[in-house]
Parts: sequence; C-alpha cells; structure tokens
Amino acid sequence: GDSVTQMEGPVTLSEEAFLTINCTYTATGYPSLFWYVQYPGEGLQLLLKATKADDKGSNKGFEATYRKETTSFHLEKGSVQVSDSAVYFCALSNQFYFGTGTSLTVIP
Amino acid sequence: SQTIHQWPATLVQPVGSPLSLECTVEGTSNPNLYWYRQAAGRGLQLLFYSVGIGQISSEVPQNLSASRPQDRQFILSSKKLLLSDSGFYLCACHRGTNYGYTFGSGTRLTVV
Repeated sequence: GDSVTQMEGPVTLSEEAFLTINCTYTATGYPSLFWYVQYPGEGLQLLLKATKADDKGSNKGFEATYRKETTSFHLEKGSVQVSDSAVYFCALSNQFYFGTGTSLTVIP
Repeated sequence: SQTIHQWPATLVQPVGSPLSLECTVEGTSNPNLYWYRQAAGRGLQLLFYSVGIGQISSEVPQNLSASRPQDRQFILSSKKLLLSDSGFYLCACHRGTNYGYTFGSGTRLTVV
C-alpha cells in the first residue's frame, strides 16, 4: 500500500546552516507530493508542493524536487533561520498519508 | 480559499466528562473532512473522515465518535473522556489531489 517514510528527528541546526529533511514514498499511480509545516501550538500549513515528476516546489526559501526515479521528495533550505523552528511533515496527495514529522530547532 | 474554524483552542476536562469539539469550513461545499489527533512529539493519527453529511468512517476504535450534521460542520465527541484522550486535535479539509489539505488551528485537550 501507499506510505511515506520521513527522516527521524529531532534535528538541531545553527542559524544559517544547510537543511535537508529526507522523505521517500511508496505509491500507486502518480500522486502529488506536499510538505507541511507546523509551528508550535498551531495547525499544519502547506509549505510547498509538486504535482508531477521533476517538478520543484518552493516557498520561503525551502525547496523540494519530485524524484520519481528515487521516489523521494527531500526538503532543503540553504540557510535556516531561528523562525524556521517547527515540525515538518511530508505527505502524499492520496488521502491520509502523512509522514511522522521531523522536528527542527534552529539555534542562534 | 478555504478556511477552517476550530474551537475551543484549549480545553482541560476531568476524566469521565463528555467532550464536544466543533469544526466548520468556509469557502467550499461538499468537502471531505477529517479529524486527526497528534500526541505530544508524535505524528498525525487519523481518527475519522467524512465524505458527506451523515457519512462517517472511523479509522481507530476508541471511545470517540464523530458526526457531520451539516455539509460544512464536523463534530468530535466523547461520552466519557480517558486520560489517554489527551492530545492536540486537528480538523482538516481535503482540497483535492493537487491542493492537499487545509487544517484548522487545533484544540489542545488535556484530560486530568
């Protein structure tokens, strides 16, 4: 069946460090892929998405590329800020399939 | 665009008391609606989903129930809360294959 496997956390980085959060998926067909972000005490917000292979989603300096050959959708940011501290979830468009979340803490 | 209103934001309830959490959706009709629970430091657990009025599917057996009395209203209930019901409850609406979910701001429930 469909599934999402997400990098275990927590991740702690210094400000301006490079971020990668790995996400791989198993799915029938060709789902869209999403990254959601959850700031402390809040609901989830859509961060970025990609709807087909080789698409790159981007928002707020974050990027992720839909790689069909490796079934991956890794989240990257070149220089993280303290305000990026949050939990990040990878998800398929097929309903219900969320990763377990990766907690990111950025220290000044 | 779709907006989900969820209340209350926080709730402290004694063990054995009833629960009612409400979620309403604006900006769409006939949405697919979901209740998720998030335990501290954990991922999302799907509790219930609904594809229409009066149609509820349960993913996890438990002492919670859900109802959808109107197209854009989704209610999570319990007759008697347990300590293990504590968590962060999120209502969500699925916007379709290319758009993903819209989430409410969540309710922090503490059962004492």
